[in-house]
Amino acid sequence: AQSVTQLGSHVSVSEGALVLLRCNYSSSVPPYLFWYVQYPNQGLQLLLKYTSAATLVKGINGFEAEFKKSETSFHLTKPSAHMSDAAEYFCAVRAPFGNAGNMLTFGGGTRLMVKP
Amino acid sequence: EAQVTQNPRYLITVTGKKLTVTCSQNMNHEYMSWYRQDPGLGLRQIYYSMNVEVTDKGDVPEGYKVSRKEKRNFPLILESPSPNQTSLYFCASSYTGRNTGELFFGEGSRLTVL
Repeated sequence: AQSVTQLGSHVSVSEGALVLLRCNYSSSVPPYLFWYVQYPNQGLQLLLKYTSAATLVKGINGFEAEFKKSETSFHLTKPSAHMSDAAEYFCAVRAPFGNAGNMLTFGGGTRLMVKP
Repeated sequence: EAQVTQNPRYLITVTGKKLTVTCSQNMNHEYMSWYRQDPGLGLRQIYYSMNVEVTDKGDVPEGYKVSRKEKRNFPLILESPSPNQTSLYFCASSYTGRNTGELFFGEGSRLTVL
């Protein structure tokens, strides 16, 4: 079984400050990991994914995440927040094979607020 | 344009009145799935389909039905909706296979059951 924990349901940063959204996972096999973003009244959009290649993954809009096996973490960062980054962010995990249903297990989400 | 289309986007209904939320994708994806999103719980899978005529339960299937008669369509049926099914619903699709996993999502259907 696999699970995802996102620390902090709400995170507030000032414009220009570092964004750090935390994600820890549990999985019985080396996982695939994803970050999705949800803007108001929209569906989820893929930000980036880790599929066992480079541990530092770069995504869209200046976001990146680092897979740390020893810490079972996949935290999302961005050096400088922009007002347009205000959204809800979801971390998700999937076993790379043997997982019937192609199923992603999602964390509870973190709402990012950016103050001017 | 590649997309997953859900309808309706918003719906208010009453307990027990059957409803269907449609989902259609134009990417020729084998895999389709329904999720519900509730505050603090993230997204939870209701049902999924690996291909035409192949469906299976996810984590929270109670009170829902699905069908997959055509590759592009995957409707979600609530035979007798109840207030605890008030939620935001997402349809998603993807290719199958070991090295995939990216889901493409519809824009969501907000359902209120009174």
